[in-house]
Amino acid sequence: SYVLTQPPSVSVAPGKTARITCGGNNIGSESVHWYQQKPVQAPVLVVYDDSDRPSGIPERFSGSNSGNTATLTISRVEAGDEADYYCQVWHTGSAHPGVFGGGTKLTVL
Amino acid sequence: EVQLVQSGAEVKKPGESLRISCKASGYSFTNYWISWVRQMPGKGLEWMGKVDPADSHASYSPSFQGHVTISADKSINTAYLQWSSLTASDTAMYYCARLRAISGGLGYYYYMDVWGKGTTVTVSS
Repeated sequence: SYVLTQPPSVSVAPGKTARITCGGNNIGSESVHWYQQKPVQAPVLVVYDDSDRPSGIPERFSGSNSGNTATLTISRVEAGDEADYYCQVWHTGSAHPGVFGGGTKLTVL
Repeated sequence: EVQLVQSGAEVKKPGESLRISCKASGYSFTNYWISWVRQMPGKGLEWMGKVDPADSHASYSPSFQGHVTISADKSINTAYLQWSSLTASDTAMYYCARLRAISGGLGYYYYMDVWGKGTTVTVSS
């Protein structure tokens, strides 16, 4: 089955830019989605289809996808952005189409 | 407002059966598939499978095939996840989520745009 690889943790100072990567074989040909999960809460969609934002998600959240790496970028990081972030693809044609990355814990220093 | 409301926390013994639910409101239930996602304590998200509420056809991740059953009742806008015989390893938080489709080069791609708040299942003797 298709595998998505994320770094376990990323740390960033408030006001700086955080970049969370999601690696996969030729992931640039997939549509990548990102979810934010704060402690004891359900996941929330923050970016879909590589770079689109749902309504209500700040413009500080953006995404890109090329080659073997997709990236979630959070600009002007705030304390409230501290959370786990998961990438996801729908690997059409696979017996296991719904694939999540292992998650990245974003720590705001 | 689009919502998925999940049933409450459950505490069960090994070998018991269980069905948890996910009630949809604010949209046409039969127009969107529903996925179930497992999160074991301290771990990441795992996709379990999906159901098409229009015909209750379900498909499963190989990791969960044969151990759970996913279904839907369109007359009451509710999806279900059930076990016939629980084990301690089923202890986890379970989320339902609505699947949205994007048209792509190889067909449709799906993401989860609305999530329920989760149902905690604890299996312990």
